[in-house]
Amino acid sequence: EADIYQTPRYLVIGTGKKITLECSQTMGHDKMYWYQQDPGMELHLIHYSYGVNSTEKGDLSSESTVSRIRTEHFPLTLESARPSHTSQYLCASSESGLVLNEQFFGPGTRLTVL
Amino acid sequence: GENVEQHPSTLSVQEGDSAVIKCTYSDSASNYFPWYKQELGKRPQLIIDIRSNVGEKKDQRIAVTLNKTAKHFSLHITETQPEDSAVYFCAVNTGGFKTIFGAGTRLFVKA
Repeated sequence: EADIYQTPRYLVIGTGKKITLECSQTMGHDKMYWYQQDPGMELHLIHYSYGVNSTEKGDLSSESTVSRIRTEHFPLTLESARPSHTSQYLCASSESGLVLNEQFFGPGTRLTVL
Repeated sequence: GENVEQHPSTLSVQEGDSAVIKCTYSDSASNYFPWYKQELGKRPQLIIDIRSNVGEKKDQRIAVTLNKTAKHFSLHITETQPEDSAVYFCAVNTGGFKTIFGAGTRLFVKA
């Protein structure tokens, strides 16, 4: 079944560690997104991608980086995690083309930085 | 840039009553207006959307109305049920790549 997958679902790490949050989709979508969301609160766009080799920063300033080497894969990396990075990270994707369509979200990664 | 305001932030209704959530936006070029529902611990999911060439859309107990002149759109839930309890997000897209989300409304439906 077509879906969006995120790993790990939960992560607790110490300050200064480098981490990569994985996101993969089998939806066949070109557009992919990363959002930061404190539980039940506003979604903040931190990165997005039109397709392979395309990445852009979103509205919320973030110290993370992303890459898009394969259509289905959009990992997010934090080079040096800090307690201020504690949050939930949601990956999403949407169809290609000019017609605007819904975004499909992954289950999220809940990150805690001690 | 686009600015989206969502009200109320919290809404408590009795089961069977109606619930209305309203969003206003600033960019008159906005042309796609989805609503997402996020249950506790779950991912946001689209429940209904409307495009700028339509004034109203209905899907069973859920409806969305759009007033382009006033730049606001609303979500209406009738005959609310406890399973409607969740956080609801409106969103706006101007045709660009980014979708701007409202701050969310926490809906409580009391049995």
